[in-house]
Amino acid sequence: EVPLVESGGGLVQPGGSLRLSCAASGFTFSTYWMTWVRQAPGKGLESVANIVRDGSGKYYVDSVKGRFTVSRDNAKNSLYLQMTYLRAEDTAVYYCATAGGRYWGQGTLVTVSS
Amino acid sequence: DVVMTQSPLSLPVTLGQPASISCRSSQSPVHSDGNTYLNWFQQRPGQSPRRLIYQVSNRDSGVPDRFSGSGSGTDFTLKISRVEAEDVGVYYCMQSTHWPHTFGQGTKLDLK
Repeated sequence: EVPLVESGGGLVQPGGSLRLSCAASGFTFSTYWMTWVRQAPGKGLESVANIVRDGSGKYYVDSVKGRFTVSRDNAKNSLYLQMTYLRAEDTAVYYCATAGGRYWGQGTLVTVSS
Repeated sequence: DVVMTQSPLSLPVTLGQPASISCRSSQSPVHSDGNTYLNWFQQRPGQSPRRLIYQVSNRDSGVPDRFSGSGSGTDFTLKISRVEAEDVGVYYCMQSTHWPHTFGQGTKLDLK
């Protein structure tokens, strides 16, 4: 069983918006801090956003502050990433993971291009 | 941000031989709770990352015992005692003590 399954990626124009979702199963979602990590084509890994167990604390890397919003719904075992004002440099595979990296999803590709 | 520097970036290895990857952090990854959140990941071609080692030296469930982690302060090492074909991929260290969590550049391990 895959512990995390992302969805919502796709092609979007610069300045556009996209909402990623991540469904968790097989572990107690509400007890984990969760994170979004992205990987640009052929590049390394970059942490994008973190959220604490109850959603009351959120952290962002500087490059996405003010544009991305992380949220979660523990009743639905789900994590979200609302992305706005997208730029070409946001093009990447976006992974949801437990903070610390014990569980990962398969990733969803976001392409920002006109 | 904490900078994680790995070496080497490319590591050609003969099957059955050992391999070692170094990771240096620009700041100590020791948390105020006393733990050191230094992790190692393997990413095989076309796959998601997989955690191998957490808190410097603890192997995750299902990880072969040929993988080991060590280190302290700002210097850490991942060792593979005898490389197998399935070990081909990119290896990353990551600190999850300070936000943003940061990864090393990655070390590409392939077979000679």
